[in-house]
Amino acid sequence: DIILTQSPATLSLSPGERATLSCRASQSVSRYLAWYQQKPGQAPRLLIYDASNRATDIPARFSGSGSGTDFTLTISSLEPEDFGVYYCQHRSSWPTFGGGTKVEIK
Amino acid sequence: QVQLQESGPGLVKPSETLSLTCTVSNYSISTGFYWGWLRQPPGKGLEWIGSIYHRGHTYYNPSLRSRVSISVDTSNNHFSLKVTSVTAADTAVYFCARVYASHRTNSADFKWFDPWGQGTLVTVSS
Repeated sequence: DIILTQSPATLSLSPGERATLSCRASQSVSRYLAWYQQKPGQAPRLLIYDASNRATDIPARFSGSGSGTDFTLTISSLEPEDFGVYYCQHRSSWPTFGGGTKVEIK
Repeated sequence: QVQLQESGPGLVKPSETLSLTCTVSNYSISTGFYWGWLRQPPGKGLEWIGSIYHRGHTYYNPSLRSRVSISVDTSNNHFSLKVTSVTAADTAVYFCARVYASHRTNSADFKWFDPWGQGTLVTVSS
């Protein structure tokens, strides 16, 4: 099984600041990683697929990078609506998710 | 755009069977794609339960395979989930989603999930 470890668990930032979220895989997943945003009481929303491709209607302030075992989701300048929990997920016949990073208002 | 909506009982007794349906709007299931179920226990992370191709091929999380079945009804444009012998550990918000995937021989490669239904809370309690 591939285990995805996200860090930090919580990120406390102010609107306008840059957010850098990490997802590390226990073995190489090539570039086959997706990122989701989840707000309280809502379903996850796809942000990034295949490590760096933004999904439909996702703002340009969201970007993804990485390959192999180390991946990063960057939010260049936090907007108030960006606060929530972010999950990574790897592509597989048995897809699994990381434990999440909560981005909260400082 | 494609929309998904889960429906089913919000309370199930221990040892009984959990049954949910996901109705798809603005897209015909029979056209293509995989369709899947995921769940999230309260305050916890996400778990993939299983996925079904519109022609009926099913794939399940190995940890749940013995208790889970997913079926598709293309005439009514919905797909369904059954989980047997439920316990309190099955209490979760259950989501359905469209699945982007690639076929493989005897398996599938599940890429990402988009869009998702809003989710429905199922509580297992007597």
